[in-house]
Amino acid sequence: GDSVTQMEGPVTLSEEAFLTINCTYTATGYPSLFWYVQYPGEGLQLLLKATKADDKGSNKGFEATYRKETTSFHLEKGSVQVSDSAVYFCAQTGGAGGTSYGKLTFGQGTILTVHP
Amino acid sequence: NAGVTQTPKFQVLKTGQSMTLQCAQDMNHNSMYWYRQDPGMGLRLIYYSASEGTTDKGEVPNGYNVSRLNKREFSLRLESAAPSQTSVYFCASRTEPSTDTQYFGPGTRLTVL
Repeated sequence: GDSVTQMEGPVTLSEEAFLTINCTYTATGYPSLFWYVQYPGEGLQLLLKATKADDKGSNKGFEATYRKETTSFHLEKGSVQVSDSAVYFCAQTGGAGGTSYGKLTFGQGTILTVHP
Repeated sequence: NAGVTQTPKFQVLKTGQSMTLQCAQDMNHNSMYWYRQDPGMGLRLIYYSASEGTTDKGEVPNGYNVSRLNKREFSLRLESAAPSQTSVYFCASRTEPSTDTQYFGPGTRLTVL
């Protein structure tokens, strides 16, 4: 079935360091891919998304490119800030078309801590 | 515009008790979802409702029931709570026309003793 695998965490970085969080997926068809962020004590917020192969999603300095050939959607940021400390979730919608009703399949989440 | 709201924010139950988690959205979305979040497991879909009057099981529906009361409201009921249902529960709704983007509520932290 459809699944999402994220790199093992937690990740601890110093401010201004480069961030990569790996994400790979398995799906039938062509899913949309997402990164959601969860700040402490809050619900999930959409960070960025890509709906087809080679699309690049970007927001707040974060980027991820939909790579169909490697079934990946790695999250990157060139210079992290303390305020980026949060849990990051990679997710996909089912690739089965309209019957999926937009159901999201999530990875297990990666905890990011950024120190000053 | 409140987005997706959930009540209560915290709840403690004893094994065997029942309760209903409430969710409402004011964005006129057709699709609504209930997820549970457990450490190291991400979010897993419990039930979803593609439109008013319809509901379907997700990945982990056992022990839960849902009601799509109207277009705005989607409730989740635990008839006989078990310790395995200790979790954080999130409600979400989806934008229309479909762009696959879901908006999440702030969550309900449930502990079953």
